[in-house]
Amino acid sequence: SQQGEEDPQALSIQEGENATMNCSYKTSINNLQWYRQNSGRGLVHLILIRSNEREKHSGRLRVTLDTSKKSSSLLITASRAADTASYFCATANQAGTALIFGKGTTLSVSS
Amino acid sequence: DADVTQTPRNRITKTGKRIMLECSQTKGHDRMYWYRQDPGLGLRLIYYSFDVKDINKGEISDGYSVSRQAQAKFSLSLESAIPNQTALYFCATSVWTDFEETQYFGPGTRLLVL
Repeated sequence: SQQGEEDPQALSIQEGENATMNCSYKTSINNLQWYRQNSGRGLVHLILIRSNEREKHSGRLRVTLDTSKKSSSLLITASRAADTASYFCATANQAGTALIFGKGTTLSVSS
Repeated sequence: DADVTQTPRNRITKTGKRIMLECSQTKGHDRMYWYRQDPGLGLRLIYYSFDVKDINKGEISDGYSVSRQAQAKFSLSLESAIPNQTALYFCATSVWTDFEETQYFGPGTRLLVL
């Protein structure tokens, strides 16, 4: 099944540093989304990038998409302790009926 | 997201018991989903529903059933709970706009099957 795979599985940084996490997927997509999950809570939608877009910004978030490499990256600039969470990429299944989530990157930002 | 609520938030049950997890939404979305989350495995789709009359199996539907009582309510049942169904369960709703879907998640139900 089509699925995004995030890399790295875990990332630890200091406040103020940038955090970059990557997602690879298997088949062609219309768009790719990133979600955030605070510990033990539901996922929250962060940003969606369309297949015809290469880069998108939202506040301190920057998402890139390279459809030729079937990969996306999420950059969080000037990270804060409150950014500590798990981050998931998601793409639609081939039928377009549901989202398939990757296993996530766990980000820990220490002050 | 307070627009999607799940009850109970935590549940401990015994092997063989039937339990129901409930999900309600006030977002007015037609599409609703049930996922389970296990450490290291991410989210896996159990069932989804596009409207009251439309129910579809997801990746891991065995051992589960669902009921879409109304647009706003989508329940997940474990007919005979087993320990490997211990997990964090999430309900989600979604809206499609211009072929793009955004999902909105409930707070989760933590289930322990002894």
